[in-house]
Amino acid sequence: EADIYQTPRYLVIGTGKKITLECSQTMGHDKMYWYQQDPGMELHLIHYSYGVNSTEKGDLSSESTVSRIRTEHFPLTLESARPSHTSQYLCASGQWADFNSPLHFGNGTRLTVT
Amino acid sequence: KQEVTQIPAALSVPEGENLVLNCSFTDSAIYNLQWFRQDPGKGLTSLLLIQSSQREQTSGRLNASLDKSSGRSTLYIAASQPGDSATYLCAVGSNQAGTALIFGKGTTLSVSS
Repeated sequence: EADIYQTPRYLVIGTGKKITLECSQTMGHDKMYWYQQDPGMELHLIHYSYGVNSTEKGDLSSESTVSRIRTEHFPLTLESARPSHTSQYLCASGQWADFNSPLHFGNGTRLTVT
Repeated sequence: KQEVTQIPAALSVPEGENLVLNCSFTDSAIYNLQWFRQDPGKGLTSLLLIQSSQREQTSGRLNASLDKSSGRSTLYIAASQPGDSATYLCAVGSNQAGTALIFGKGTTLSVSS
């Protein structure tokens, strides 16, 4: 059973709309991440957070933004969706205190922008 | 820049076979290496994590090895089952924060009954 939850699972939206992808975890993890994955391709880190009020951009340029107001919640926002944003977005979390603990992933949000 | 390659990209085997999935990386200065499983349309499930000081990890029918000097890791699956069908991803961690986790493209495994 997943301890990290992403909503919605699927989203089809028109160009120019503002969207927020939700991610919540119940494990009390400090570290949280957003990855982008296209079919058959590697995951790429787009945002990460070490804790409340901490957010950083990852290695893949992204027009999205994130916030971390609460430990358990790490939403990702696209102010104006474009077809190039069509992809799968995966949220993950991990323990800060144990650097060798594995990452936990949500089931992802598959976004299609028409 | 760290690059992670997984070979083969796809593999089909009959049930009961033992198999090996390969992962290679270009920079041996790694912190850890993780193997994940991804089912279609789902997120990733961590299978095994090998710290840089370790040579292998085992969980049930799975055994992962790490050879940092040669930049290689293998995932051995014993007595494969149809339920093992999934994409297996290798990810190399190059720092403690996990922000430099570099993924391979994965090997898609199909086990037929």
